Amino acid sequence: GAGVSQTPSNKVTEKGKYVELRCDPISGHTALYWYRQSLGQGPEFLIYFQGTGAADDSGLPNDRFFAVRPEGSVSTLKIQRTERGDSAVYLCASSRSGKDIQYFGAGTRLSVL
Amino acid sequence: RKEVEQDPGPFNVPEGATVAFNCTYSNSASQSFFWYRQDCRKEPKLLMSVYSSGNEDGRFTAQLNRASQYISLLIRDSKLSDSATYLCVVNDGGYGGSQGNLIFGKGTKLSVKP
Repeated sequence: GAGVSQTPSNKVTEKGKYVELRCDPISGHTALYWYRQSLGQGPEFLIYFQGTGAADDSGLPNDRFFAVRPEGSVSTLKIQRTERGDSAVYLCASSRSGKDIQYFGAGTRLSVL
Repeated sequence: RKEVEQDPGPFNVPEGATVAFNCTYSNSASQSFFWYRQDCRKEPKLLMSVYSSGNEDGRFTAQLNRASQYISLLIRDSKLSDSATYLCVVNDGGYGGSQGNLIFGKGTKLSVKP
């Protein structure tokens, strides 16, 4: 079946701009996670949704980052006033529930110039 | 700060070699342990879960030592296709029975040469 889908695959933006990154989880998966992976590092947790609600947003680095999942399926990660340090691969993962294996999407590579 | 530490490598080995990766984690509350594989510019993919009793999947063997907070991965008879970065992963202890969020090491790069 279809895996986790992320769009766009690449996003180039200018410092100070607003960006939205989209994640379409595996159908029926209630848990959705966002991670950020910088070059040479492992993925770092950002936020976890169980259904429509953010169960844990402790990984969001500051208030420029925000994520929503209004219908409990697709999620959007929103970054305001982008900075060069935001450049990274943003990975989305989903699992059947909060207790199950997480499956990752291919990521969105964000470059802030 | 909850951390997972790995030797970044790279490990350069010939085909057929046996190679071992080690990892330590700081959060004693972690309940779930994994090895993920990540190919260049691709997403991480689950290689295997790690259990206290140790587990084996073909050429891959994983071990967990909770007392020492230490995880290992052994790859026997290395293939060219094993070349990748291997990420040691633990959950953060979770809450309310959930798996919790994953904490990744920086990864160990393996290069298998002909």
